[in-house]
Amino acid sequence: DTGVSQDPRHKITKRGQNVTFRCDPISEHNRLYWYRQTLGQGPEFLTYFQNEAQLEKSRLLSDRFSAERPKGSFSTLEIQRTEQGDSAMYLCASSPTGGIGGYTFGSGTRLTVV
Amino acid sequence: DAKTTQPPSMDCAEGRAANLPCNHSTISGNEYVYWYRQIHSQGPQYIIHGLKNNETNEMASLIITEDRKSSTLILPHATLRDTAVYYCIVRAPISSGSARQLTFGSGTQLTVLP
Repeated sequence: DTGVSQDPRHKITKRGQNVTFRCDPISEHNRLYWYRQTLGQGPEFLTYFQNEAQLEKSRLLSDRFSAERPKGSFSTLEIQRTEQGDSAMYLCASSPTGGIGGYTFGSGTRLTVV
Repeated sequence: DAKTTQPPSMDCAEGRAANLPCNHSTISGNEYVYWYRQIHSQGPQYIIHGLKNNETNEMASLIITEDRKSSTLILPHATLRDTAVYYCIVRAPISSGSARQLTFGSGTQLTVLP
C-alpha cells in the first residue's frame, strides 16, 4: 500500500471555473477526511465519510463545496465557481473506523485561483 | 476536543535533543494527546500519541505530566530533516457516528540549525 494518494498535486484555475480533486485512501481504512489549509495556518476540517456515507458536512465552507465517496473507496471534492479565496492546500486523510490510531494524510492538492 | 497551546517557534542545534512543549489544561479523561508534524509543502505526518503513560517509538518520545495538563515531544537527536511545524492535538477515541476529526492549531515551527 502506498498510503493516501491525492490528484492532482497542483491546480491553477481561473476564477469562476469548477475544479475537482481526487483522494485515494489506504484501502482498509473506512474513514476519509477532507481538510483545507491556508498559508501559515493549521489544517481546517471540512467533511468526513464513513464508507460511502458523508456523516459530517456542516463545516464545508459554502454550498459551492461538495464531496462524494460513491463506492466507499476513493473520494472527490468539488468546488464550483471558484473564487480567489479558495486558493489553499486541500488535504485528504484516512483512518480505520474505530480506535485511537493516527490518521494518514496525503500530500495534498494545492489550488491557485487566478 | 480540548484546546492546546504551543510556542509559535523554536530552534534546536543539529544533533541535540529537541523538546517541544504543549499545554492542554482542559483535557478530558478519555482524550489522547497526538503529535503530528508537517514538513513544508507536504501533508501532516503522524508521530506519536499517548493517554497518560510516557510513550516512545522510532521517531520520538512523548512525556505526559501526571495531571495530564501538559506534554513534551522529544526528538532525541534532531537532524536538519526534522525542521517542520509540529502540532499537538488532543482527541477522544474514534467511535461510530462521531467525526473525531483532528483539530489543528497553529503549531510550533521547529528549525534545526546546522
